[in-house]
Order: sequence, then structure tokens, then C-alpha cells
Amino acid sequence: AQTVTQSQPEMSVQEAETVTLSCTYDTSESDYYLFWYKQPPSRQMILVIRQEAYKQQNATENRFSVNFQKAAKSFSLKISDSQLGDAAMYFCASWFQGGSEKLVFGKGTKLTVNP
Amino acid sequence: DTEVTQTPKHLVMGMTNKKSLKCEQHMGHRAMYWYKQKAKKPPELMFVYSYEKLSINESVPSRFSPECPNSSLLNLHLHALQPEDSALYLCASSLRGSGRDEQFFGPGTRLTVL
Repeated sequence: AQTVTQSQPEMSVQEAETVTLSCTYDTSESDYYLFWYKQPPSRQMILVIRQEAYKQQNATENRFSVNFQKAAKSFSLKISDSQLGDAAMYFCASWFQGGSEKLVFGKGTKLTVNP
Repeated sequence: DTEVTQTPKHLVMGMTNKKSLKCEQHMGHRAMYWYKQKAKKPPELMFVYSYEKLSINESVPSRFSPECPNSSLLNLHLHALQPEDSALYLCASSLRGSGRDEQFFGPGTRLTVL
């Protein structure tokens, strides 16, 4: 079975500092996509960053970057210069070739940013 | 317009009521999704419409009935719900319905079943 695991239910970071959220996955497929979605309190879920498995280069979007370790099946999200607006639930998700077209979500990490 | 809209924002209904949730997007996306989300949990997929045809039904009870009148609209008809159906119902859309595609989510409808 394809699984996505987030082992940190909650994390906290000081404003302006850096935090890393962990995600691991399990699949035997070679074609898959990995996503980090952010869900702020009472606001819409949005895509933060996406990584295609066949791309070796780690994806980056402004202050957000991933550390994609394919052999270790790890896909962590690094947030640099954390801002108060980064406080949210972060869900790691994946789509795996060979399954259905649905996303497999991790359980989520609640990130608190302290001023 | 990169927005998915959902109405109503909040809904309270009794177990014998019939109500509908509505979702709309004007991004030209050909796939639309219904998710159910309980507090502090990830979204659980319910239904997927791809090119206006139901492509995925995650064994959802028949008291939930989806409808896709056209490529921009998605409805979820509710009838004889149970209190455990209380949750945030999220609509999403994507370009083609492939899991590779980014999904754009609406703000959700907060449903309470009494």
C-alpha cells in the first residue's frame, strides 16, 4: 500500500527562524509526485510546493524548499525566515502511478510561529 | 480567476432535512472533487468528477449524492444525514483530474448535523 507519514503532529518556530517539517512515504512505483499543502486556520488549503520524483533537483518556492531524498523516501519541507502568516496545518501528500488518481495525505503537522 | 467558491459557508441541518452544497470554479478545470475533513485530520476524498463524469466514488454512503451539471459547477446533495457526518466539506478542482495536477481548494462548508 502507498503511504505518507508525517511524524510530527505539532511544531513551533520563532519568527524569522528556520523550521523543517518531516514527511516520509512508501511506494514501489517509480513515477510519483509529492506535494506540501498548507491549510491556515479558517482559510483555504493551498499548494506550497510540488516535487516530481524523476527530478533530482529539489523544488524551491521563495522561502519554501524541499529536501527530497529519493532513496530514503523522504520529502521534508524547509521554511526559512518564518513569518506569522506561516502558521497553519501542513499536509504532505503524494500521487503514485499505478494507483487511482487520488492524493494520499499524511496526517498533518500543525505549525505555530511565535513572535 | 484562480478561485474555487463554495456556498453556504455554514449549514446546520436536522437528520430528516434535505440540503445541497454548491461549488463553482471558472478556471477551465475539468476535474472537481468533494472531500470531507474532520477537525485536525487530513481531507478524505469522497468523489471525483472528471470531464463531468463521476470517476471516483470512495464508497460514500448514498445519503451523499454528487452532481456535476457542467464543468464549472459541482453540487453535493445531502439527505438523512447522521450527526457523525458533521464536518468541513471541501471542494477542489484541478486541470485534468490527474493526481499529478495541483488541486485548488475552496474555503469549505462547515456542516453541523443535529
